[in-house]
Amino acid sequence: GENVEQHPSTLSVQEGDSAVIKCTYSDSASNYFPWYKQELGKGPQLIIDIRSNVGEKKDQRIAVTLNKTAKHFSLHITETQPEDSAVYFCAASLYNFNKFYFGSGTKLNVKP
Amino acid sequence: DAGVTQSPTHLIKTRGQQVTLRCSPKSGHDTVSWYQQALGQGPQFIFQYYEEEERQRGNFPDRFSGHQFPNYSSELNVNALLLGDSALYLCASSLGIGTATYEQYFGPGTRLTVT
Repeated sequence: GENVEQHPSTLSVQEGDSAVIKCTYSDSASNYFPWYKQELGKGPQLIIDIRSNVGEKKDQRIAVTLNKTAKHFSLHITETQPEDSAVYFCAASLYNFNKFYFGSGTKLNVKP
Repeated sequence: DAGVTQSPTHLIKTRGQQVTLRCSPKSGHDTVSWYQQALGQGPQFIFQYYEEEERQRGNFPDRFSGHQFPNYSSELNVNALLLGDSALYLCASSLGIGTATYEQYFGPGTRLTVT
């Protein structure tokens, strides 16, 4: 099955700095890569996603890049704010199966 | 537009007991997936229901079973509870398998504690 690895496990940045979280996957057939933000006591919230036919996608301060050859994808958050503090999860799936394999999570702390 | 809802919010059970968790999908969605999230880890796929049938299953024992109703809501049942079943159980809804829509939206989860 698919194996998704996520790094770093914790990330601390100063407000206004950028944050980058990286994930690798093992199954070259995976073609959908969502990112979720999970705040304490809540369920994961979809923040951005990318399909394998696209190399980069941006939504305001958040962007995701995908390198299919290397089988890795990254989340970029610019101009971080304290409310960005949360645990972020990457995932990979085969679109026609809708079965997500999640990374182990990155706890992001944005210091004011 | 109501999102994914789950009940109950919290649950405490004793080893050996049985538990039923409930999920209502986001309006317009017909597929429900269940995940188990242990403390400090990413969610792990349990199974998925579409058209009232289990379509896919993760690496979980038969003690975990489910059901989907005609209104697309779903239940997760766990029998013979073990201490290791303590976790946050998440429900995610999406559009039908094979459609061009891949997004899954999660509910707030049910926190199960087994003592």
